[in-house]
Amino acid sequence: GENVEQHPSTLSVQEGDSAVIKCTYSDSASNYFPWYKQELGKGPQLIIDIRSNVGEKKDQRIAVTLNKTAKHFSLHITETQPEDSAVYFCAALTSGSARQLTFGSGTQLTVLP
Amino acid sequence: NAGVTQTPKFQVLKTGQSMTLQCAQDMNHNSMYWYRQDPGMGLRLIYYSASEGTTDKGEVPDGYNVSRLKKQNFLLGLESAAPSQTSVYFCASSYSKRQDRGSGELFFGEGSRLTVL
Repeated sequence: GENVEQHPSTLSVQEGDSAVIKCTYSDSASNYFPWYKQELGKGPQLIIDIRSNVGEKKDQRIAVTLNKTAKHFSLHITETQPEDSAVYFCAALTSGSARQLTFGSGTQLTVLP
Repeated sequence: NAGVTQTPKFQVLKTGQSMTLQCAQDMNHNSMYWYRQDPGMGLRLIYYSASEGTTDKGEVPDGYNVSRLKKQNFLLGLESAAPSQTSVYFCASSYSKRQDRGSGELFFGEGSRLTVL
């Protein structure tokens, strides 16, 4: 089955700096890669996603890049703000008939004022 | 709209006890899911239901059972709780079972924290 590794597990940045979270996946047939943000005491919420036919996608201060050859994808947050502090999960959609998301282990991002 | 509502939010059980976690969604979604979240392990799928009346095993189904008798409800049962089932449980729903489509976006509840002593 699919295996998704996520790094780092914790990340602290100064407000206004950029943050980068990286994930690798094992199944070369995976073709959909969403990112979810989980605020304290809440359930995860989709913030951005990318499909395998696209190399990069941006939405205001967040962007995701995908390298299919290396089987890794990354989340980039620019001009970080305190409200960006949360746990971020990457995921990959498995191939085959079941086609369920496999999540990474999560990254606790802390934006320091 | 309430979205996805989970009850209870907190529960403490003794080993061997049984309980049911309840999940309700008011978005008319067809698919529903149960995940567990453990430190350093992300979200792992326990069971899912692509549509009312159908259920399928996910990555970690052992020790659990589910029921989807109504479209808006998805129940997760623990027949004989074990300490290894101490976790935070999340219910989610999506309009489509195709998670790679816009209609497949997962909407999560706020979680149920279960402790098994």
